[in-house]
Amino acid sequence: QLVESGGGLVQPGGSLRLSCAASGIILNNFWISWVRQSPGKGLEWVANIKQDGSKTYYVDPVKGRFTISRDNDKNSVYLQMNSLRAEDTAVYYCATGSNHLSWGQGTLVTVSS
Amino acid sequence: DIQMTQSPSSLSASVGDRVTITCRASQDIKNYSVWFQQRPGTAPKSLISAASRLQSGVPSRFSGSGSGTDFSLTISSLQPEDSATYYCQQYSTYPLTFGGGTKVEIK
Repeated sequence: QLVESGGGLVQPGGSLRLSCAASGIILNNFWISWVRQSPGKGLEWVANIKQDGSKTYYVDPVKGRFTISRDNDKNSVYLQMNSLRAEDTAVYYCATGSNHLSWGQGTLVTVSS
Repeated sequence: DIQMTQSPSSLSASVGDRVTITCRASQDIKNYSVWFQQRPGTAPKSLISAASRLQSGVPSRFSGSGSGTDFSLTISSLQPEDSATYYCQQYSTYPLTFGGGTKVEIK
């Protein structure tokens, strides 16, 4: 089971750090993705990270602003989000693999003044 | 980027109907496609991976097919609990991309 946390209300230009913690599965067996869903919209892949953290990939709109990382000792993955914009408002999910077979319940990020 | 074009965007069907949703990739993705079901207010749930592999615990009325650029998800006998939005996704090439979704309603 994956559990996301760290969402909330933040002003434009602000920062948030999301966490994805696992129970019952060992995260370092998997690539882990962050996927977001804006209110009433479809799904958008944001970033992912290899099992050992040696490779990361990002969608263009977040490059240079978001950083994905992991701590396998804590069985957790993180998404550091800086320079947040209104268009980053979404529910953020973590999911296993590039095919996203298992998902957490999501955490809502609202960017608004 | 690879575009995933789903059709239809919505449909309404009766319990027991056979329903098919299609997804077209803008370039060859071999069999690197996955289908999800999302009910309102909940996280997506994977149904089919690698184009045709039924995920554990998913009812056998769901099936997937296709390769290359054309893929489909079929529900052989629609049930009330199948009312949801369905998404396809490719994991062949970065950035990973999703289709726009198909909303399935029960008449």
